[in-house]
Parts: sequence; structure tokens; C-alpha cells
Amino acid sequence: GAVVSQHPSRVICKSGTSVKIECRSLDFQATTMFWYRQFPKQSLMLMATSNEGSKATYEQGVEKDKFLINHASLTLSTLTVTSAHPEDSSFYICSARDVSSPLHFGNGTRLTVT
Amino acid sequence: DAKTTQPPSMDCAEGRAANLPCNHSTISGNEYVYWYRQIHSQGPQYIIHGLKNNETNEMASLIITEDRKSSTLILPHATLRDTAVYYCIVRFSSNTGKLIFGQGTTLQVKP
Repeated sequence: GAVVSQHPSRVICKSGTSVKIECRSLDFQATTMFWYRQFPKQSLMLMATSNEGSKATYEQGVEKDKFLINHASLTLSTLTVTSAHPEDSSFYICSARDVSSPLHFGNGTRLTVT
Repeated sequence: DAKTTQPPSMDCAEGRAANLPCNHSTISGNEYVYWYRQIHSQGPQYIIHGLKNNETNEMASLIITEDRKSSTLILPHATLRDTAVYYCIVRFSSNTGKLIFGQGTTLQVKP
């Protein structure tokens, strides 16, 4: 089945630094990938839709300059949290869809900003 | 996409069937019902989806009422590893593919 790989699984960074999270579709090409954020004891919140070769589409309330998304190839999308602050600490999850299958999710990245 | 309503939590005895309900009374004719689950600290896992007919796969069965206003996910023989948050999501098949998650049902399988 479709496999989505996310890296790193955990990252700790200092306040003010930037962190990059990678999302790869391992056995299929994904023209569209999605980025979610999840705070403790809450549901997943869609942040943005990442389109290969074009600009990402951000959901209302998500700062595009803070959460930079790049989808340079059909198998890779990256999310960069710029100038991270403690309130950005969260569980970030990417997902991708093969044209013939439902949406599949990576195993998430636990970001802790100190 | 139509809104869904699920009970916040349910318990089930190990080895018994777990029946998780979902209400989607505003569903439209070409919207699908999807079920995902999320085990603690992992990404969501696809379980099953359907449009009108009941569906079954190696993980679960999906029963959709005739008026399509509600559905039930059935885990036939729940195990401790089935303890997770289960999300019922309704979406069009032809949209961008994004899924909007509600609060889901926390299923606790007990020995």
C-alpha cells in the first residue's frame, strides 16, 4: 500500500531558530500533499495544501510566512517552521494521496521549542 | 463537506465487536464516508470508506443506513491494539482530497 514517510520523528530546537520537516511519498507520486498540526488532546487541524510546482494553499489563520511549504518534486514536500517559538510546539503530520487510494498519513513529527 | 457527530468515548471488551456510530445527517448524494483511526502519537491510519453500500475489508466493516444519514464502523473482534481515536469524515470524492477531522471517538478496549 501507499507509504508516506516523515522525518524527523522528533525534534527539539531553541526559540528563534527554524526547523525543516520532510514528507516523502515512498512508492507513489503525489501531486498534492497536506500538512496538519495537532495539539495535545485535540484533533488534527489542516494547515495547508501543498501542490507540486506551485504555491501552497494555506487555511485561514495559518501564517504563510511562518510555515513555509515547498513541494519541489512529486515525492517530497517540506514544512519549515521559521523563527520557532514555544507556542509552535506541536505534532506536525503530513499526508499524501495516490490517485487510486485514499489519503495516507506520515507518522508525524513531534516539535518541541525550548 | 458535511459535518459528522460521534460520541466522545466508548469502551469495548477485548474479543467482542466494537460498534462505533457516526451521524452525518447533512450528507449529500455524492459524499463518501471515510473512517480513520489514530493510535497515540502516530499519524492517522486509513480504515475503510463507502458511498452507499456496506463495505468490508480485512480491518473492519462499514454499515451505512439506507438514508445515508448515519453509519457504523464495526471492528469484529476488538483487541487491545485497537485502542485509538476513531474519526468519521465525510467528503466529496472529487475535491482536492483534503480531510477535515472532527473530534472523533476514543475507543478503549479493555481486557
